[in-house]
Amino acid sequence: DAGITQSPRHKVTETGTPVTLRCHQTENHRYMYWYRQDPGHGLRLIHYSYGVKDTDKGEVSDGYSVSRSKTEDFLLTLESATSSQTSVYFCAIGREDQPQHFGDGTRLSIL
Amino acid sequence: GENVEQHPSTLSVQEGDSAVIKCTYSDSASNYFPWYKQELGKRPQLIIDIRSNVGEKKDQRIAVTLNKTAKHFSLHITETQPEDSAVYFCAASMWGTALIFGKGTTLSVSS
Repeated sequence: DAGITQSPRHKVTETGTPVTLRCHQTENHRYMYWYRQDPGHGLRLIHYSYGVKDTDKGEVSDGYSVSRSKTEDFLLTLESATSSQTSVYFCAIGREDQPQHFGDGTRLSIL
Repeated sequence: GENVEQHPSTLSVQEGDSAVIKCTYSDSASNYFPWYKQELGKRPQLIIDIRSNVGEKKDQRIAVTLNKTAKHFSLHITETQPEDSAVYFCAASMWGTALIFGKGTTLSVSS
């Protein structure tokens, strides 16, 4: 989707290092979400934002933090990456009158 | 919080047959039920959605039904084609809030 850009698209890093994933949108949507996708678990909500500086936890938020200083950017940070955080991470955006849609994902491998 | 159960986890059909995927949800406040299709290595894409003031919605070969009393909803695909092969996710939420997803159904359509 041209309106959502996730970066990086792929990353390999080591246990214990900090990692930041970026989600950038050009659609001025109020809501932004971070999900992780793992085999057998579907898409699980990590954190979400309902406006600048307004964020809340999802069902699997432990070990993750987020920030949203501008409408267009939503950052997901793994302060000290662990192997259990190896996953595909999807950002999604939405607003009250439109369904949620997803970015292309970031494949993160933690060795 | 909301919990969504999805069945079956895998489904194999012959081309031309119908496929049905079922989901149940736990939070009676949920009023929005989308379905996403995800092809291998791609992002989830919305294929159809329904709100709780509607019992059924159709779009060509795809239909979704909702039973609010029983808290379940289903995806029906008729005249399946090989290109329908993908992972399908149901989700539930209150409109405008974060989606909670089922664990997905892998649909295989053989010709």
